[in-house]
Amino acid sequence: AQSVTQLDSQVPVFEEAPVELRCNYSSSVSVYLFWYVQYPNQGLQLLLKYLSGSTLVKGINGFEAEFNKSQTSFHLRKPSVHISDTAEYFCAVRGLDSNYQLIWGAGTKLIIKP
Amino acid sequence: DGGITQSPKYLFRKEGQNVTLSCEQNLNHDAMYWYRQDPGQGLRLIYYSQIVNDFQKGDIAEGYSVSREKKESFPLTVTSAQKNPTAFYLCAATGSTEAFFGQGTRLTVV
Repeated sequence: AQSVTQLDSQVPVFEEAPVELRCNYSSSVSVYLFWYVQYPNQGLQLLLKYLSGSTLVKGINGFEAEFNKSQTSFHLRKPSVHISDTAEYFCAVRGLDSNYQLIWGAGTKLIIKP
Repeated sequence: DGGITQSPKYLFRKEGQNVTLSCEQNLNHDAMYWYRQDPGQGLRLIYYSQIVNDFQKGDIAEGYSVSREKKESFPLTVTSAQKNPTAFYLCAATGSTEAFFGQGTRLTVV
């Protein structure tokens, strides 16, 4: 079985400042890792994914994430945020076992201060 | 366009009524999911289906029912047994890697 922990429920940050949203997971099998973004009253949109290969993954809207197997982390970063990045961000893990379920973190609200 | 279509976007239910939320996909994915979202509680799994004519309960299935008669369609019925149905409902489909989501249905009890 897998689990996902997003350590911060809210992250306030000033516009044009860097941001890191933290995600840790646990799993007894290999995993795929994902970050999704949700704008108000909308569905979830894939930001980026780690399947294999390079541990630094680049996604849409200038976001990137680094897979760290030893620390079982997949933190999301952006060097300079904009007001349009205000949204909720979800980390998810999918174990490469027979169940193949997606397990979700509780979400982190990114609040951009002008 | 390929994707997941949920309808309606907004739905109002009277006490004691059953309502059905529609979810259609043209991605040809086998697995489909229904999630409920309440403020501050992330995504909670209601039901999922990995193949036509088969589905399994998720973590909060009580008061809900589903069917999967076609690969493309996975409707969710919110029954009168669901005592607190006001929430945002999301449908998703998964292929071999990531999930694809619809735009959601906001259900309100009036």
